Amino acid sequence: EIVLTQSPGTLSLSPGERATLSCRASQSVSSSYLAWYQQKPGQAPRLLIYDASSRATGIPDRFSGSGSGTDFTLTISRLEPEDFAVYYCQQYGGSPLTFGGGTKVEIK
Amino acid sequence: EVQLLESGGGLVQPGGSLRLSCAVAGFTFSSYAMSWVRQAPGKGLEWVSSISGSGGGTSYADSVKGRFTISRDNPKNTLYLQMNSLRAEDTAVFYCAKVEGYSVYDPMEYWGQGTLVTVSS
Repeated sequence: EIVLTQSPGTLSLSPGERATLSCRASQSVSSSYLAWYQQKPGQAPRLLIYDASSRATGIPDRFSGSGSGTDFTLTISRLEPEDFAVYYCQQYGGSPLTFGGGTKVEIK
Repeated sequence: EVQLLESGGGLVQPGGSLRLSCAVAGFTFSSYAMSWVRQAPGKGLEWVSSISGSGGGTSYADSVKGRFTISRDNPKNTLYLQMNSLRAEDTAVFYCAKVEGYSVYDPMEYWGQGTLVTVSS
């Protein structure tokens, strides 16, 4: 099983600042099959990034993903008020599918 | 517009059974894999099970293997999760999700709003 470790657990930032979220895998993720999801309180998750760096439909370009192998990053270039949420990474390169524990981006 | 609507959640006693349904619309259901993901109160996301577009391929998390069964009725555009021998630790919001492709090894591009399952005496 691939264990995904996200850091930091909480990120306290102000609107307009840059957010950098990390996702580290316990073993190499096949073909960079890694996704990032955003979840707001009381809502379902929303796909942001897939294949490590491809933006999903309708996702603003301030969201970007990078990385390969075992180290992946989600960057939000300039935080908007609606970006404060919890972010999860997920690998879908093999079974079992696994999620990271999440990073909460909160308003400072 | 893609729509996913879960139903069937509720309160059940430990050892009991429940069947969740996910009615979908807005896409060719049989062409896409589907998944169930759960979220315990205040916790993160946990993948539960996935099924290929044809229904011929399924996979399960170890935590539910042998107790849960995923299935689909393509003519009815509906996904199911039969849950038996339920435990307190199964208490969670269960989401159904449309996978981006035919294979289960693709990202989950659309999610329903979830249905709450509470296992308690």
